[in-house]
Amino acid sequence: NAGVTQTPKFQVLKTGQSMTLQCAQDMNHNSMYWYRQDPGMGLRLIYYSASEGTTDKGEVPNGYNVSRLNKREFSLRLESAAPSQTSVYFCASRGQAQETQYFGPGTRLLVL
Amino acid sequence: GDSVTQMEGPVTLSEEAFLTINCTYTATGYPSLFWYVQYPGEGLQLLLKATKADDKGSNKGFEATYRKETTSFHLEKGSVQVSDSAVYFCALSLYNNNDMRFGAGTRLTVKP
Repeated sequence: NAGVTQTPKFQVLKTGQSMTLQCAQDMNHNSMYWYRQDPGMGLRLIYYSASEGTTDKGEVPNGYNVSRLNKREFSLRLESAAPSQTSVYFCASRGQAQETQYFGPGTRLLVL
Repeated sequence: GDSVTQMEGPVTLSEEAFLTINCTYTATGYPSLFWYVQYPGEGLQLLLKATKADDKGSNKGFEATYRKETTSFHLEKGSVQVSDSAVYFCALSLYNNNDMRFGAGTRLTVKP
């Protein structure tokens, strides 16, 4: 039981490049989330998926797209990376009727 | 809007000292309140939570009480250890549990 896993752990991009961050959970959770963590700002919600087949914007969705591929997997795509997207990205999941979110180890992204 | 404010760090303590990290919240409804901990290089882990006024959450010697009258959820520990060195995040979860708001985080360093 690995919980929430994320790949890659670290990535360097040039401005304008695209990439997809992968997230998977093996806890049979319905809801999944993508956050970014910036110094002095805590975590901010980018997108979430309340259930398979649905996605919704969070607090800071601009510049990102998501796909809920199936119940286990929720990916985050940067179509044209910008230096402002340099951050640490965390995926999380939550079971139905639960309040606690379970977090992955994070992906550190540097955009030059 | 709904938000969490926690004391700025960093906080540096000697081993066995008493710890308090202040957290206050603003919410239109009746949120659940959480403390998460992030150890170096890892994702966030739930430390404790409280779901209604006057509830006390506790775990690993840490405690926090949901105070509706002061809109606070301060984290305390009577005797910290070096292994408690981490970043601590206060958070609230709104009624639909898909919108979790985090404080900026407080970095705690405990010296032997």
